Amino acid sequence: DGGITQSPKYLFRKEGQNVTLSCEQNLNHDAMYWYRQDPGQGLRLIYYSQIVNDFQKGDIAEGYSVSREKKESFPLTVTSAQKNPTAFYLCASSSRSGGETQYFGPGTRLLVL
Amino acid sequence: AQSVTQLDSQVPVFEEAPVELRCNYSSSVSVYLFWYVQYPNQGLQLLLKYLSGSTLVESINGFEAEFNKSQTSFHLRKPSVHISDTAEYFCAVSYNAGNMLTFGGGTRLMVKP
Repeated sequence: DGGITQSPKYLFRKEGQNVTLSCEQNLNHDAMYWYRQDPGQGLRLIYYSQIVNDFQKGDIAEGYSVSREKKESFPLTVTSAQKNPTAFYLCASSSRSGGETQYFGPGTRLLVL
Repeated sequence: AQSVTQLDSQVPVFEEAPVELRCNYSSSVSVYLFWYVQYPNQGLQLLLKYLSGSTLVESINGFEAEFNKSQTSFHLRKPSVHISDTAEYFCAVSYNAGNMLTFGGGTRLMVKP
């Protein structure tokens, strides 16, 4: 089955700790995205990548980092600089053509201990 | 700045009643329009989208949306809702034929028996 997987489903972070959220897709999509979802605020773009070995900051990139070493993988690291990391994180992918559907993973819920 | 506004954060409705979820976007020469649905603790799924052609688009489960260029709106409607339609609905816009999406804040549809 083609799709996007995210792991883990739940992640707990201690203060001062960096944590990494995994996102893998087998849809052969060039573009991948990370969104943060908070109640009542919709989805906000953290980082995106249009092609391997390239990525751009989104609207709320501070305190986060990403890499895109492989087409199918786009991991997100939540660093200790992110002071309010508790949220639901969604990864998505699409082709680079305009109007194409973004396909979403099941999400990772990050909680702070 | 480009923006998408979903005017209602919550819409309670009785089963088998009609519903309209409103979406307005900031004006642009070229837009692609999307509605996504999110069930609790899951990722987003595409419900329907408008790229060009007929301004009325339909989904397989009875939802429809109409692109109104003069009013910069893309409202979602269903003539008779089911309990299973209870979910959060997001309107999203792609500006200038690109693959990036700007999301509205979401509308929580609550269908009551």
